[in-house]
Amino acid sequence: KAGVTQTPRYLIKTRGQQVTLSCSPISGHRSVSWYQQTPGQGLQFLFEYFSETQRNKGNFPGRFSGRQFSNSRSEMNVSTLELGDSALYLCASRGYSNEKLFFGSGTQLSVL
Amino acid sequence: GQSLEQPSEVTAVEGAIVQINCTYQTSGFYGLSWYQQHDGGAPTFLSYNALDGLEETGRFSSFLSRSDSYGYLLLQELQMKDSASYFCAVKTRDNAGNMLTFGGGTRLMVKP
Repeated sequence: KAGVTQTPRYLIKTRGQQVTLSCSPISGHRSVSWYQQTPGQGLQFLFEYFSETQRNKGNFPGRFSGRQFSNSRSEMNVSTLELGDSALYLCASRGYSNEKLFFGSGTQLSVL
Repeated sequence: GQSLEQPSEVTAVEGAIVQINCTYQTSGFYGLSWYQQHDGGAPTFLSYNALDGLEETGRFSSFLSRSDSYGYLLLQELQMKDSASYFCAVKTRDNAGNMLTFGGGTRLMVKP
């Protein structure tokens, strides 16, 4: 079984631009969640999607949005990028009634 | 909101035993998970405790005391490859749904 795939692996943007990150979950997993990881801040929950519906959202501004498609693939969008958005963005999927999250390798976003 | 406390760094020698503690303050607690993350890698699931007690998986064990809002990860027979960051995470549920909140991580350095 292929793991969770995130693209792109690295991204460099400038302030004010927007960015879209992609995540393909493990086949059969319908839950996809997104996390922001910065040094010293651990993993901060962004949102979780299940069957194309957002189930929960973390404490992030509205510039951060996401969606999930019928094939469970998910995208995350950040608009009007700020320097503080520089981070590793991790996507994770899990099976139904399963506590185990499977993480992708992440997208390292640098905002200049 | 949810808050988790875990030590930022722990150092131990190869072959030793190390315990990484995690205390939490949260509402709607469901369970406590542990994840391992090597530098540059994705977090990988280690364990999940929903009930009080000790769960053992090979060299790793995880403990939970719901009444004390406390858990720990125990690593035995330490190996160099155990050098990594370890995150505890609480699963909570509110009206919006389930959420996983991560601690800041504990960086474990194993020395020869």
